[in-house]
Amino acid sequence: KNEVEQSPQNLTAQEGEFITINCSYSVGISALHWLQQHPGGGIVSLFMLSSGKKKHGRLIATINIQEKHSSLHITASHPRDSAVYICAVLTGRRALTFGSGTRLQVQP
Amino acid sequence: DAGVIQSPRHEVTEMGQEVTLRCKPISGHDYLFWYRQTMMRGLELLIYFNNNVPIDDSGMPEDRFSAKMPNASFSTLKIQPSEPRDSAVYFCASSSRLNSGNTIYFGEGSWLTVV
Repeated sequence: KNEVEQSPQNLTAQEGEFITINCSYSVGISALHWLQQHPGGGIVSLFMLSSGKKKHGRLIATINIQEKHSSLHITASHPRDSAVYICAVLTGRRALTFGSGTRLQVQP
Repeated sequence: DAGVIQSPRHEVTEMGQEVTLRCKPISGHDYLFWYRQTMMRGLELLIYFNNNVPIDDSGMPEDRFSAKMPNASFSTLKIQPSEPRDSAVYFCASSSRLNSGNTIYFGEGSWLTVV
């Protein structure tokens, strides 16, 4: 079993929809990252969380340490949000361990 | 700041050849990471350095892979000899600290194809 599991693997949404991507992990962590990778390949860190909730524009990330679960929400989705979203956890042992990613396609 | 700079962006090489990938981290960042991304395995940590010292190299696949960081502004990842299964995107990343509250910054990746 992978240490970091994401769902769904693929997601297609219509422009304007509210989107949720989930991440569950099985190890103790000091922080969790949400990363965005566009078709060109570049990776950008969207959020780093160790507790609670963070918001940036239309993006919201939450984490529940007790339940070992995090969610990334996108409100009023737009075609430019189409990308792969990757959850990664920071542990003392392995620096970052990555989920397999969620491929999001937002259609106009 | 220019961000994390990697070179080359793309490389196609023949099996058996030596490949050297280069990375310049963001100035002032104490941590440097090398990651590999493939379709089959996704993103994986290969090795990371703290203050130029390798801390965890357990992700380096085999002895054909080696990484160095001779100073705070430069690192190399070398594959010798290269094999087709090494074809992947190799990302370098840097961070000021390895704990919560510090963002990690990725380079644009080096796309390696070994034929």
